[in-house]
Amino acid sequence: QKEVEQNSGPLSVPEGAIASLNCTYSDRGSQSFFWYRQYSGKSPELIMSIYSNGDKEDGRFTAQLNKASQYVSLLIRDSQPSDSATYLCAHTGTASKLTFGTGTRLQVTL
Amino acid sequence: DGGITQSPKYLFRKEGQNVTLSCEQNLNHDAMYWYRQDPGQGLRLIYYSQIVNDFQKGDIAEGYSVSREKKESFPLTVTSAQKNPTAFYLCASSLQGDTGELFFGEGSRLTVL
Repeated sequence: QKEVEQNSGPLSVPEGAIASLNCTYSDRGSQSFFWYRQYSGKSPELIMSIYSNGDKEDGRFTAQLNKASQYVSLLIRDSQPSDSATYLCAHTGTASKLTFGTGTRLQVTL
Repeated sequence: DGGITQSPKYLFRKEGQNVTLSCEQNLNHDAMYWYRQDPGQGLRLIYYSQIVNDFQKGDIAEGYSVSREKKESFPLTVTSAQKNPTAFYLCASSLQGDTGELFFGEGSRLTVL
């Protein structure tokens, strides 16, 4: 079992819709969770951090964490074509090591 | 503007040659990292450093070497011992270690001919 699992996609959503990106992890000791956005050919950029159960909102982005079920999700409201990118989920586990998933490719269609 | 500068952006190398990738940051961050990214794979940690003159191996350190003589600089050498060096190399930094809030440079794409 991979430490961090993401559906590779592509996830296709129409402009203006809500995009829902999901991530599961295996380390029950994981404390901190992160979402990075990576445009094709570019480097990753941190867009959200979440440290406790529940929701965290930042503009059009909402991160949701459920430690009991070992999943973290990212919702993007009012999706725009500029949101088309690969979204990497990452977490720091019991060894404080940052582990990345392979990413979900999001396509926002006009 | 503060940030991380990687150079070169593109590099071609013949088999058997060592190459060094530069990474410089002016964010005053203590920790620096090198990751490798291959198509369809996540980022894999090569080396990291939490303080000057100290660094630790990551998950895939074989065939690579680093130094951390200055807080601002963390160069990566890809040696001829690295069997499959063609990849996208990413340098990152964080205010301190043990955090997942990383700032990345633009990356260096190495191709072995």
